[in-house]
Amino acid sequence: AQSVSQHNHHVILSEAASLELGCNYSYGGTVNLFWYVQYPGQHLQLLLKYFSGDPLVKGIKGFEAEFIKSKFSFNLRKPSVQWSDTAEYFCAVNTGGGNKLTFGTGTQLKVEL
Amino acid sequence: DAGITQSPRHKVTETGTPVTLRCHQTENHRYMYWYRQDPGHGLRLIHYSYGVKDTDKGEVSDGYSVSRSKTEDFLLTLESATSSQTSVYFCAIRSDRENPYEQYFGPGTRLTVT
Repeated sequence: AQSVSQHNHHVILSEAASLELGCNYSYGGTVNLFWYVQYPGQHLQLLLKYFSGDPLVKGIKGFEAEFIKSKFSFNLRKPSVQWSDTAEYFCAVNTGGGNKLTFGTGTQLKVEL
Repeated sequence: DAGITQSPRHKVTETGTPVTLRCHQTENHRYMYWYRQDPGHGLRLIHYSYGVKDTDKGEVSDGYSVSRSKTEDFLLTLESATSSQTSVYFCAIRSDRENPYEQYFGPGTRLTVT
């Protein structure tokens, strides 16, 4: 079965710092990749997604992610974080066009003023 | 907003009692999912449905059952609640019409089993 690893469980940054959150998956075939964000007390919202084409995808709120097939990775980046980016971030993978998503365990990001 | 509502939003129940959570959608999507969210575990799939009366198990289905008698409603039942089922439960739908594989989530139900 496929798995998704998010190695950073808790990240604390100061405002304006750059962000990179790691996501690795274990599946050798076709994948569709997602990053979701969950603000405190809210439900998950889609941040960005990769299906095919340009491996650098841009999402909402200045976030981007790069799909590196050879490394089985889909890392999330933002050049300058804001206090309002404080949230939990989840990487998710759909494999082979199936019906399910597999989620990573999440990264809790805290941005300090 | 994908037109997903969950009820109740909060529930406290005692060990051994049955509990049913409801997910309702307004857009007639075929696929619906139930997840639980726990610290350190992310979201884990409990059950999902691919049509009326068509359901399948996820990775943490023990102790849970589901039913889907009409397109818009997907019910999750804990037959005899245990403390290990204290969690936040999210329902999700997958669009049939666009952005395949992408899931949209409901607001969640916080369940506490005492």
